[in-house]
Amino acid sequence: DAGVTQSPTHLIKTRGQQVTLRCSPKSGHDTVSWYQQALGQGPQFIFQYYEEEERQRGNFPDRFSGHQFPNYSSELNVNALLLGDSALYLCASSLRTKKVEQFFGPGTRLTVL
Amino acid sequence: RKEVEQDPGPFNVPEGATVAFNCTYSNSASQSFFWYRQDCRKEPKLLMSVYSSGNEDGRFTAQLNRASQYISLLIRDSKLSDSATYLCVVNPPRGAGSYQLTFGKGTKLSVIP
Repeated sequence: DAGVTQSPTHLIKTRGQQVTLRCSPKSGHDTVSWYQQALGQGPQFIFQYYEEEERQRGNFPDRFSGHQFPNYSSELNVNALLLGDSALYLCASSLRTKKVEQFFGPGTRLTVL
Repeated sequence: RKEVEQDPGPFNVPEGATVAFNCTYSNSASQSFFWYRQDCRKEPKLLMSVYSSGNEDGRFTAQLNRASQYISLLIRDSKLSDSATYLCVVNPPRGAGSYQLTFGKGTKLSVIP
């Protein structure tokens, strides 16, 4: 049973660039949530997707956008990168009927120079 | 006041000790409560859900006090493998944002031989 997978594992970008992170949910799950975890902090909710639409959004600027594909996989896009965007980006998947029971992927560690 | 606040830690305890973590949350209408465990540079993993009646899973006991908006986690007979950061997690009330998880900053536990 494949768990949540994310790619890439690590990424280094410079200020002003754009980045796309990818997530494949756990087998059987149809809902994907994205979180940002800065060093020494707990994860912060960015947004949640199901049925290919953004359903919930946390307190993040429009530079953060996403997409969900028909196979339930998802992308997180961040434009105009800032130094403060350096963090571990976590994807979590769940069943639409049990959205709070979320399983996390290993994350993508983004460094912005 | 932060939505979810935890003991700052770190907690350094000898093997075999009992250790307790506390957490308070600000939204009295919050619906679901969890403890997650996060190993260094890894993703958070669900340790246990927390119910008003209290629940136990082996050496771990979780308690919820809705009146005081307080959650606790007790670990008995600590093992070296319990060394990790423990994250208190709350699900806000129904309505907008009802499926996002709100995390505390986490409490780091080091179990010493």
